[in-house]
Amino acid sequence: DTGVSQNPRHKITKRGQNVTFRCDPISEHNRLYWYRQTLGQGPEFLTYFQNEAQLEKSRLLSDRFSAERPKGSFSTLEIQRTEQGDSAMYLCASSNTQRGGAGNEQFFGPGTRLTVL
Amino acid sequence: AQTVTQSQPEMSVQEAETVTLSCTYDTSENNYYLFWYKQPPSRQMILVIRQEAYKQQNATENRFSVNFQKAAKSFSLKISDSQLGDTAMYFCAEREKETSGSRLTFGEGTQLTVNP
Repeated sequence: DTGVSQNPRHKITKRGQNVTFRCDPISEHNRLYWYRQTLGQGPEFLTYFQNEAQLEKSRLLSDRFSAERPKGSFSTLEIQRTEQGDSAMYLCASSNTQRGGAGNEQFFGPGTRLTVL
Repeated sequence: AQTVTQSQPEMSVQEAETVTLSCTYDTSENNYYLFWYKQPPSRQMILVIRQEAYKQQNATENRFSVNFQKAAKSFSLKISDSQLGDTAMYFCAEREKETSGSRLTFGEGTQLTVNP
């Protein structure tokens, strides 16, 4: 069990460019979550997947954002036409709902820090 | 919608002493879970302790314990015998039992510094 991994760890891009982040959850975890954390704030929910199905999206997830989880394994988060306001840490978490109850703990990855110039 | 509030942006404590971090929340659900997460500088978030709302007994994990007051919607974290490694950002979070996809709602965080 190697934990949740995210790549890249840091991304610097120019406004208007597209960026894509990857998250590899803990193996056999059926749920995968994306959160966004701006400096000095707590994480905010963006979206989550149950296996390959994207079941919920926050209103924070504008049309420029798209997430996928093909085959229910890793996930990608793409931001098109980046804006300076997109600068944040993007966190991925995974959990195993088959354990039920509070055992449905979310394990977080180290995050991808995006800076839009 | 659920909200979580942490009113202490920063706290400091001397090594080996005890510190309490405050958290209040608001939810319309009767079944939910509460969590404290720790985020050390440049490191990933880890779970410190969790409390199930239907359990009256306060959760304890080694030096970490909570004071859960359901009626007051208060959920404070007590750290005993503080260690330098406890220096981190601490987030209080709430998760409704099976609604909202089990998303976590976080507070703004409290930066805790343990001084030698």
